[in-house]
Amino acid sequence: GAVVSQHPSRVICKSGTSVKIECRSLDFQATTMFWYRQFPKQSLMLMATSNEGSKATYEQGVEKDKFLINHASLTLSTLTVTSAHPEDSSFYICSAAEGYQETQYFGPGTRLLVL
Amino acid sequence: SQKIEQNSEALNIQEGKTATLTCNYTNYSPAYLQWYRQDPGRGPVFLLLIRENEKEKRKERLKVTFDTTLKQSLFHITASQPADSATYLCALAGANNLFFGTGTRLTVIP
Repeated sequence: GAVVSQHPSRVICKSGTSVKIECRSLDFQATTMFWYRQFPKQSLMLMATSNEGSKATYEQGVEKDKFLINHASLTLSTLTVTSAHPEDSSFYICSAAEGYQETQYFGPGTRLLVL
Repeated sequence: SQKIEQNSEALNIQEGKTATLTCNYTNYSPAYLQWYRQDPGRGPVFLLLIRENEKEKRKERLKVTFDTTLKQSLFHITASQPADSATYLCALAGANNLFFGTGTRLTVIP
């Protein structure tokens, strides 16, 4: 089946630093990748949608200059949290869709803790 | 904007019984709806997709119904097992994305 990996699985950083999270589709080409964040006991909130080779589309309220998304290839998307603050601490999950398939395949998530 | 509600935050049932989870939505008419399973600290895993013109979809012990008049989907797990314990999320299709409910945490008691 379709497998999506994320790296790192968890990261602890100091306030003010930048953190990069990678999302890879391992056995399929992901035309579209999605980035979500999830707070404890809450649902997934879509942050942005990215298509390979084009700029990401951000959801309302998500700062594009703070959450930089790069979808450089059909198997890799990165999310960089710039100048991270404690309120950015969350569970970040990516997902990928192949072609125009409706099903999204999710990565295992990255737990970010900003001190 | 669309609103998605899953009937309860938590549901406990006895092993062997049928678990029924509810997803209600308003202000929206999705072309399809999906159900996902999420284990603690993990990403969601796709289970089933049901389209607006389908009343019911089955997969092994899972069954999903979709009532576009009531704006409701029901998710059933028959002959439940402790291994079915997880959070189950419903997701409605947007133009190019999914809108997720808050999930129901199911616990199957041995």
